[in-house]
Formats: sequence, structure tokens, C-alpha cells
Amino acid sequence: DTAVSQTPKYLVTQMGNDKSIKCEQNLGHDTMYWYKQDSKKFLKIMFSYNNKELIINETVPNRFSPKSPDKAHLNLHINSLELGDSAVYFCASSPSGNYGYTFGSGTRLTVV
Amino acid sequence: SQKIEQNSEALNIQEGKTATLTCNYTNYSPAYLQWYRQDPGRGPVFLLLIRENEKEKRKERLKVTFDTTLKQSLFHITASQPADSATYLCALGGYNNNDMRFGAGTRLTVKP
Repeated sequence: DTAVSQTPKYLVTQMGNDKSIKCEQNLGHDTMYWYKQDSKKFLKIMFSYNNKELIINETVPNRFSPKSPDKAHLNLHINSLELGDSAVYFCASSPSGNYGYTFGSGTRLTVV
Repeated sequence: SQKIEQNSEALNIQEGKTATLTCNYTNYSPAYLQWYRQDPGRGPVFLLLIRENEKEKRKERLKVTFDTTLKQSLFHITASQPADSATYLCALGGYNNNDMRFGAGTRLTVKP
């Protein structure tokens, strides 16, 4: 009965590799997000999708490509991984209107 | 540029006291403000939302105020307990609820 689930929970990979993180929500929410939390714990928005349409794309390198096959899924693909990409990536979702976001438990990405 | 600042990185208080956390912002006109709790290794959990036209919101031992003139929100936990120890994040959003921005958080420790 997990509301927002991300896989994998941990990801260790070498520089230059390509990796994907998957996210699914079973809350029926219209909007999904990717946030990055760096080593200083600062949570920064990367992308926002509403009903499969990209609506927010912050200044993120184009090595990061989100994909939303349907309203309940938002995956994040990262090409040519760099050391600076090491962080915890959180997926979240929210309904339309002013409501709180529901976050997944995060994916800790370590690039070595 | 937009800034969201939480008053201190860490706050230590004695059990039973009221914890007060501050969130200040500049160059921003948010439609609403939210507070989240984050425990180590977990995603943020939504606590309270307050809209720009509201002065105060309460939920059990939690109280949030929102002063759009001072550009400040105060978050209070009354009768604090060790279980309240966590990092608390404030977040600001626009009318579309699809671009919420977070402060860096305040780590609260409640000592028994």
C-alpha cells in the first residue's frame, strides 16, 4: 500500500555510466516531481510533470531526462554520470490545488 | 534572486518546552507555505499548509503563522517530546502548486 515508491533505494555506479530511477504513485495524483537533496540536505526541484506533460524544468543538465509514460509513473534517466550527481533523489506527487506533496523514500545515488 | 532561509541549522530544547522555528523569504510572493518533517534516511512528510490570506493554522500540538508583510512563517511545537526530534523544512509555492521550493531545514533535537 505504498503511496509513492521509488526503485532502487541505493545505486552505486561508476562515472560515465547511464542509470535510471523509477517512480510510481498509487494516489491518483495529477502532478509528479523529481527533487535532488545534496550532501548539505538542501532539497531542490528538478522537474515537475502534470498529467504526463513537463511543466517545470529547472536548470538541470540535459544528461537528466525525465519520462512519464502515464500519470502514475515518472522515471528519471541520467546519462554519463558524474561525481557531482551523487545525492539522494526524491520523487513526489500532489493532487491539483494547494495540497501537500507526498514523497517517496528516496534513491541514494553514489557515483564513484 | 529568491531566497528561503530557516533561522538556524540546529535547535536544541528540553522536553515539554515549545519549539519555535523560523522561515524567512525574500524576492518571493508565495500563494502558500508548507511545513514538512524529515527523519534521517526518509522522505519529507507533509505537516501543515497555510495560505497567503491566512494568519494562523493549528493541528494538534503544531501551530503555524504566516506574515506576508514580514515575509516570515513561524512553526511552533508545543509540549515537545523526544519523538519530535527531526529536521523541519519550510516550503513555498505558487498558485499552481507545481513548483514548491524548500528551505535548508532546521534540525530539532528535544532532550528528555
